[in-house]
Amino acid sequence: QQQVKQSPQSLIVQKGGISIINCAYENTAFDYFPWYQQFPGKGPALLIAIRPDVSEKKEGRFTISFNKSAKQFSLHIMDSQPGDSATYFCAANRGATNKLIFGTGTLLAVQP
Amino acid sequence: EAQVTQNPRYLITVTGKKLTVTCSQNMNHEYMSWYRQDPGLGLRQIYYSMNVEVTDKGDVPEGYKVSRKEKRNFPLILESPSPNQTSLYFCASSFASGIGGNEQFFGPGTRLTVL
Repeated sequence: QQQVKQSPQSLIVQKGGISIINCAYENTAFDYFPWYQQFPGKGPALLIAIRPDVSEKKEGRFTISFNKSAKQFSLHIMDSQPGDSATYFCAANRGATNKLIFGTGTLLAVQP
Repeated sequence: EAQVTQNPRYLITVTGKKLTVTCSQNMNHEYMSWYRQDPGLGLRQIYYSMNVEVTDKGDVPEGYKVSRKEKRNFPLILESPSPNQTSLYFCASSFASGIGGNEQFFGPGTRLTVL
């Protein structure tokens, strides 16, 4: 119940294309769902986050879609750029704690 | 600049030789945490601290110790390192409002190799 399952493990997208990464969770007590972006040699950094009272959140080219009934959420990167090449982690958090449960990560490569 | 710093960034050691990885944050965050990152496993929490003198186990605490004597520092101690502790380690910090959903700020990582 504590797991967050993430797919795919790796993804290759052409420049200008759409990158989609999916995550699923079991624990209905989770109420905060962030996505972290990690470049080689760096620590993860918060990219975008959503709470389950909304179905979508958009920040620039990055969008989180959230399906509460299916217990799934996904990250969409529109007009993908080579600079987006990084590892992306979804995560989930239960209210009143700061404990993040991370997915296993997706290595995204955007080809020029 | 607001940041989380870790030292050392790289460390090669031998089995059984005690080591400490330091972590410091300058954002006055109450919450600090240690993670290890392994291929195919994502980030797993080792220990966390909600405030000074308050620490608790995460998901993979075996073989590790921590202390929180000051708000800004949260060192990770491996008293008798073993090869299965070879990993990439991250320290993170955030505010601890009790509401949840606080952005965690990560350090640059420490790559540890235990021979």
